[in-house]
Amino acid sequence: QKEVEQDPGPLSVPEGAIVSLNCTYSNSAFQYFMWYRQYSRKGPELLMYTYSSGNKEDGRFTAQVDKSSKYISLFIRDSQPSDSATYLCAMSLYSSASKIIFGSGTRLSIRP
Amino acid sequence: DADVTQTPRNRITKTGKRIMLECSQTKGHDRMYWYRQDPGLGLRLIYYSFDVKDINKGEISDGYSVSRQAQAKFSLSLESAIPNQTALYFCATSDPDRAQETQYFGPGTRLLVL
Repeated sequence: QKEVEQDPGPLSVPEGAIVSLNCTYSNSAFQYFMWYRQYSRKGPELLMYTYSSGNKEDGRFTAQVDKSSKYISLFIRDSQPSDSATYLCAMSLYSSASKIIFGSGTRLSIRP
Repeated sequence: DADVTQTPRNRITKTGKRIMLECSQTKGHDRMYWYRQDPGLGLRLIYYSFDVKDINKGEISDGYSVSRQAQAKFSLSLESAIPNQTALYFCATSDPDRAQETQYFGPGTRLLVL
């Protein structure tokens, strides 16, 4: 079993829809949770960073961590075609970037 | 100019050949990383370096070696390339002095081993 599971998609939704992206994990000791966005032929870029449980909001993006269920989510409101990308979840026991475990990514397409 | 650059961007090589992938950064970060990305497997850490004299193996270092020539340069070598090393390779940097240690990735090198 992988430590971090993520549905690869592809996920296709119409412009303006609310998008929900999810990951599950097996190691209950993870404390740091991240979402990266990766456009085609580009490197990943950090989108959201959360420590421990709870919600974090940044503009149209909300990251949610449920440690009791070992489940994290990224919500995108009022989705735009420019949100079309692969979204990678990532998590770590420690704050050090050398210990991050990445999900395999979900491909998202927003239809105009 | 991009903060993290990788050369070459694309490379085709043959089994048994030695190749080097190069990474340069202008962010002034001490920490640098090499990852590979494969479909369905996500990003996996190959090697990382916390400064010029500190190099560490990651999850999948077999068949790879690295050289940290300077704070700004970190190279990845495949001593004798094999087809299952066909992948997308990313270099990244990070600054541990920030409360949130964010990684900054380069644009990637697409490698095909025939």
